[in-house]
Amino acid sequence: SAVISQKPSRDICQRGTSLTIQCQVDSQVTMMFWYRQQPGQSLTLIATANQGSEATYESGFVIDKFPISRPNLTFSTLTVSNMSPEDSSIYLCSVWGGANTGELFFGEGSRLTVL
Amino acid sequence: DQQVKQNSPSLSVQEGRISILNCDYTNSMFDYFLWYKKYPAEGPTFLISISSIKDKNEDGRFTVFLNKSAKHLSLHIVPSQPGDSAVYFCAASANSGYALNFGKGTSLLVTP
Repeated sequence: SAVISQKPSRDICQRGTSLTIQCQVDSQVTMMFWYRQQPGQSLTLIATANQGSEATYESGFVIDKFPISRPNLTFSTLTVSNMSPEDSSIYLCSVWGGANTGELFFGEGSRLTVL
Repeated sequence: DQQVKQNSPSLSVQEGRISILNCDYTNSMFDYFLWYKKYPAEGPTFLISISSIKDKNEDGRFTVFLNKSAKHLSLHIVPSQPGDSAVYFCAASANSGYALNFGKGTSLLVTP
């Protein structure tokens, strides 16, 4: 299993500002994933972050709104840019358990509230 | 569109009884199914999974059943315990890929 730490755990932000969420993993991983859970909704994959290359974004998510960095094999950041109340969500970092398990390990999540 | 559906947003069960959480899916390419449990202020944690080549997988008090023809799976918890109270997410992936499609979750409350 992997231990994943996210910062901040929660924050209240003003409309129009940007916030960067950090994700630290206790082991080296090739792929890191960023999910979003809006209130009452399922977890939705935002993007996949590979070290040394541009992140791959899912339909409906763009780099300008959610820029991602992946400077090494244990760390990634997700920025939520120009926030609006619709961005109020829990943002989750995750890593793959590997080919033999097919499961994802998740961080504790970052709960953002945009006023 | 929602490819994984959990139609019951909440479920209440008495301690010691069986909890049955249901999940339906629409994508016939899904070949791996997982259940996650989530407590408030924590990330989801993996609970149990099943491959499409099986119809049942058991781990202690938790059993997952898969009915491929009906595109339906269920999670049985028996006996239910108050500590099982959490939100349970059903998830599925295609071709054993990494991208998981999640349902909206079912909030289980186990009462003493």
